[in-house]
Amino acid sequence: NAGVTQTPKFRVLKTGQSMTLLCAQDMNHEYMYWYRQDPGMGLRLIHYSVGEGTTAKGEVPDGYNVSRLKKQNFLLGLESAAPSQTSVYFCASSRDRGYGYTFGSGTRLTVV
Amino acid sequence: GEDVEQSLFLSVREGDSSVINCTYTDSSSTYLYWYKQEPGAGLQLLTYIFSNMDMKQDQRLTVLLNKKDKHLSLRIADTQTGDSAIYFCAESPNNAGNMLTFGGGTRLMVKP
Repeated sequence: NAGVTQTPKFRVLKTGQSMTLLCAQDMNHEYMYWYRQDPGMGLRLIHYSVGEGTTAKGEVPDGYNVSRLKKQNFLLGLESAAPSQTSVYFCASSRDRGYGYTFGSGTRLTVV
Repeated sequence: GEDVEQSLFLSVREGDSSVINCTYTDSSSTYLYWYKQEPGAGLQLLTYIFSNMDMKQDQRLTVLLNKKDKHLSLRIADTQTGDSAIYFCAESPNNAGNMLTFGGGTRLMVKP
C-alpha cells in the first residue's frame, strides 16, 4: 500500500517555464489537497478537491491550476513559474472529517 | 479567520519530557491534530483529539485540550533522539468542510 505518491521529488525550473506535479493515492480517498511549505510560513493550502471532477481554491491559489480527472490523481500545474514559487510542495488526501490527512513525501521545486 | 500559533523551537535532553504548545482561535473546531515531520519527509499524523475530550493518551504521547483557553498541548514522555522533528498542530473548523489549518510548526531538538 503506497499511500500518497508525489512525482517528481526534485525539480529546478527557469523563470517562465511550466510544469505539472503529480499526486497519486491508492486509498480511495475523496479529498485531496495541495500545500506549499515555506520557512517560517508553515503549510499553506493552494487548491483542494472534494471528489473526482471537482476543484476549489485554497489560501494561495494564484499562479497555480489543478485538475482531478480521476479520483486517485490530483495534478498541480504551474503555467509560468516565478522565483516566488520556490518551495516544497506537499500533496495530501483524506477519507473524511476526523481521519486526518495522509501526506506525500513532497516535491522540492526551485525556480531560478 | 482561523489562526494557529506555535512556538518555533524547543530543546530538551534525552529522557526528559517534552511539552509542545499550540493555541487556536476557532472555537468551532471539532477535531485537533498533531503531525510530525522528519527531515526531508512529509507530515505524519501522530494523534488527534475530539473537541469533547480533555485528554487523550497514546503510549508516550499525551494530548491535553483546554477549550476555554483554546489551548492544545502535546506531551512526549521519555523523549528520545528519534523524536527530533518538527511538530505541527492543526485545527478543523466546523464550517470549513474537511480543511485543516496548520500552525507554523515547533522544531524539537533532543540532546543526548
